[in-house]
Amino acid sequence: EVQLVESGGGLVQPGGSLRLSCAASGFTFSSYWMSWVRQAPGKGLEWVANIKQDGSEKYYVDSVKGRFTISRDNAKNSLYLQMNSLRAEDTAVYYCARVLGEFVVVPAAPDYWGQGTLVTVSS
Amino acid sequence: SYELTQPPSVSVSPGQTARITCSGDALPKQYAYWYQQKPGQAPVLVIYKDSERPSGIPERFSGSSSGTTVTLTISGVQAEDEADYYCQSADSSGTYLVFGGGTKLTVL
Repeated sequence: EVQLVESGGGLVQPGGSLRLSCAASGFTFSSYWMSWVRQAPGKGLEWVANIKQDGSEKYYVDSVKGRFTISRDNAKNSLYLQMNSLRAEDTAVYYCARVLGEFVVVPAAPDYWGQGTLVTVSS
Repeated sequence: SYELTQPPSVSVSPGQTARITCSGDALPKQYAYWYQQKPGQAPVLVIYKDSERPSGIPERFSGSSSGTTVTLTISGVQAEDEADYYCQSADSSGTYLVFGGGTKLTVL
């Protein structure tokens, strides 16, 4: 059974930093692209970032470029999101998600999602 | 930036057919995916590659594509289908993912 468990969310002041983690199990982590997707309170889903199986390619939505960094540790079956220079508009539930398809070259869509971790940016 | 457009809300009576549309300029070149999200829960993939249904998803869920519009169809809607539905695809380069704004399905 595929399981994705996020952690690391919490309350942070504007301009602060936070590191989210996602522990994966139930599948061969190193064979899949992985994603972070967020959802602001009462709003829709927003893709944040993708990372390739070996970490060699990373893509970000424009609003987080230069502030957020996605990374992974295949030995630990873990995905990370380092978030710096946080803003009030970054307040959201952050979901870790596996991308559909083993060994795919181009990421298409998430298929399995974690339950999310809430990040609140406020003074 | 690339956008996918969905109606904010759709309402149907139990047993009727619900159709939720999603439009975007790159949809003729990129597959569409559909997610169901119930309050307080993570999204669940219900349709992939325009019209494929993952295992465990009821047959009443189907997807179709025509030009720049894709459609999620729920036949014989049940009360448990009341949820938010999101379409998702990629820009023309296939690099950046994008979600539609979501459609709230109300079962009257």
